Amino acid sequence: KAGVTQTPRYLIKTRGQQVTLSCSPISGHRSVSWYQQTPGQGLQFLFEYFSETQRNKGNFPGRFSGRQFSNSRSEMNVSTLELGDSALYLCASSLGTSGAYNEQFFGPGTRLTVL
Amino acid sequence: DQQVKQNSPSLSVQEGRISILNCDYTNSMFDYFLWYKKYPAEGPTFLISISSIKDKNEDGRFTVFLNKSAKHLSLHIVPSQPGDSAVYFCAAPRGGGNQFYFGTGTSLTVIP
Repeated sequence: KAGVTQTPRYLIKTRGQQVTLSCSPISGHRSVSWYQQTPGQGLQFLFEYFSETQRNKGNFPGRFSGRQFSNSRSEMNVSTLELGDSALYLCASSLGTSGAYNEQFFGPGTRLTVL
Repeated sequence: DQQVKQNSPSLSVQEGRISILNCDYTNSMFDYFLWYKKYPAEGPTFLISISSIKDKNEDGRFTVFLNKSAKHLSLHIVPSQPGDSAVYFCAAPRGGGNQFYFGTGTSLTVIP
């Protein structure tokens, strides 16, 4: 079974630009969650998509957005990049079953550097 | 706010000895906890979990202990092996079943 894939693996952008990151979940998984990892902050929850709908959202500004397609692939977008957006962005897929704690399977992440 | 805290950024242990990684949480309503392990250039992978109805869960060399009154959990690795060198995160669910609070991680180095 193929794992979670994320593209690109590395990105360098400048302040003010926007960026789109992609995540392909494990086949059969309908939930995709996004996390931001920065030194000293651990993994911070961004949002979760299930069946093309945003089901949960963390405490991030509106510059961070996402979407999910009918094949469960997900993209996240960050507009008007700031230096503080430099981080490792991880996506995790799971079955998404409600009422249960679903094991999260993480991709390798996209390392975003904002100059 | 950091609802799950790992106060030790790093830990070094000799091969064969016990590694103890600690995690504190603030919300007494948390009823499930997980530990993840992360190698460089890879995403975190699930290691072990514990429900709040238990105070201990064991899986091979890995044991997680939960002290609800102290809002504290710990991961014990016995015996430690060089391949255990990684960053370990503890996590607790935030609301729905597919979103979690993660700690800041503890980097474990097992010295051969």
